[in-house]
Amino acid sequence: DVKVTQSSRYLVKRTGEKVFLECVQDMDHENMFWYRQDPGLGLRLIYFSYDVKMKEKGDIPEGYSVSREKKERFSLILESASTNQTSMYLCASTAGGTSRGYTFGSGTRLTVV
Amino acid sequence: EDKVVQSPLSLVVHEGDTVTLNCSYEVTNFRSLLWYKQEKKAPTFLFMLTSSGIEKKSGRLSSILDKKELFSILNITATQTGDSAVYLCAEITSGTYKYIFGTGTRLKVLA
Repeated sequence: DVKVTQSSRYLVKRTGEKVFLECVQDMDHENMFWYRQDPGLGLRLIYFSYDVKMKEKGDIPEGYSVSREKKERFSLILESASTNQTSMYLCASTAGGTSRGYTFGSGTRLTVV
Repeated sequence: EDKVVQSPLSLVVHEGDTVTLNCSYEVTNFRSLLWYKQEKKAPTFLFMLTSSGIEKKSGRLSSILDKKELFSILNITATQTGDSAVYLCAEITSGTYKYIFGTGTRLKVLA
């Protein structure tokens, strides 16, 4: 069964900490995405990558960065966590031309205190 | 700016009822529209719609796209408590793999 795996299901971090959220897919997909999901706002795109070492800003990149050193791994970095980054973070991947859209990870619920 | 709007925001029904969820979109270069079901964790794929007027079905769920009026509906017949979830609609713009999501419809089915 193909998978997108997010390393943590729940995380609690302190304001100002550097936070790493990891996402690994085993489907050899080129395209990977990070979204955050908040009540009433839906899913909003933070960053995405179409290839190794390539990254592009989504709609809400401020306060975040990403790293894609290997095709299967896409990491989201909160340089200095703030309380307004408390959210559910979803990673997704897709191959070009797929008829089934994204495959999502199970999500990481991050609380910044 | 591209936009996807879902209605209603939430809905409570009883088992056996039929529900219709709505998704309208405003996009510059539409390619496809997708429906996902999200329970407590990862959204799971339901349908991808590209052509207007062709209904897609999976068991008690069905969906159709109207590209002239820029909307899609998701129907669930004979609802069950296991249908309780957030239903997400998303569109893909031509030339990209980025999705734009609506805010979702939260469906609760009571026994």
